[in-house]
Amino acid sequence: GQQVMQIPQYQHVQEGEDFTTYCNSSTTLSNIQWYKQRPGGHPVFLIQLVKSGEVKKQKRLTFQFGEAKKNSSLHITATQTTDVGTYFCAGPGDGNKLVFGAGTILRVKS
Amino acid sequence: NAGVTQTPKFQVLKTGQSMTLQCAQDMNHEYMSWYRQDPGMGLRLIHYSVGAGITDQGEVPNGYNVSRSTTEDFPLRLLSAAPSQTSVYFCASSLQGPVPIYEQYFGPGTRLTVT
Repeated sequence: GQQVMQIPQYQHVQEGEDFTTYCNSSTTLSNIQWYKQRPGGHPVFLIQLVKSGEVKKQKRLTFQFGEAKKNSSLHITATQTTDVGTYFCAGPGDGNKLVFGAGTILRVKS
Repeated sequence: NAGVTQTPKFQVLKTGQSMTLQCAQDMNHEYMSWYRQDPGMGLRLIHYSVGAGITDQGEVPNGYNVSRSTTEDFPLRLLSAAPSQTSVYFCASSLQGPVPIYEQYFGPGTRLTVT
């Protein structure tokens, strides 16, 4: 079935450094979502991308959807301690399933 | 609105016991789903429902049952608990879905330990 692969699994950065996580699908996605989960919390929706090549920004976060709609990225500029958590991408799978990537754990050292 | 609620927050079971994890939403969402989260494995779909009376299996359905008798409630039943079912369980709902996918609202989770 359709799989969503996410890399890296883990990243530890110094506060102020940039961070990027990548999401790759084995099939073309109609759309893709990104979620953030704070330590001990539940996933919270960040954004949805629909169009090929789409770029959306939320303050220091930049989201991109690839031209072929098979990959996506989330870039955080100048990380802060509040960015700590796990970032997931998710896309529609077979049938009516929603498939999540394994997530990227971000740790920020101040 | 309370959003998505889950009970209990924590549970310890002995191997072989059964129990039901409760999930309810008050947003009139059609699509509901159950995920388990294990370290390094992300969120894996157990079962989902596109509306009252309709359920289907996800990626890891074995050992779990669901039913959807109302739009609001989507309980997850563990038939005979095993240590491999130790995990954090999240219930989620969305307006419809998942094609096109809508924003998923997650409950706070249930931390289950099976000894």
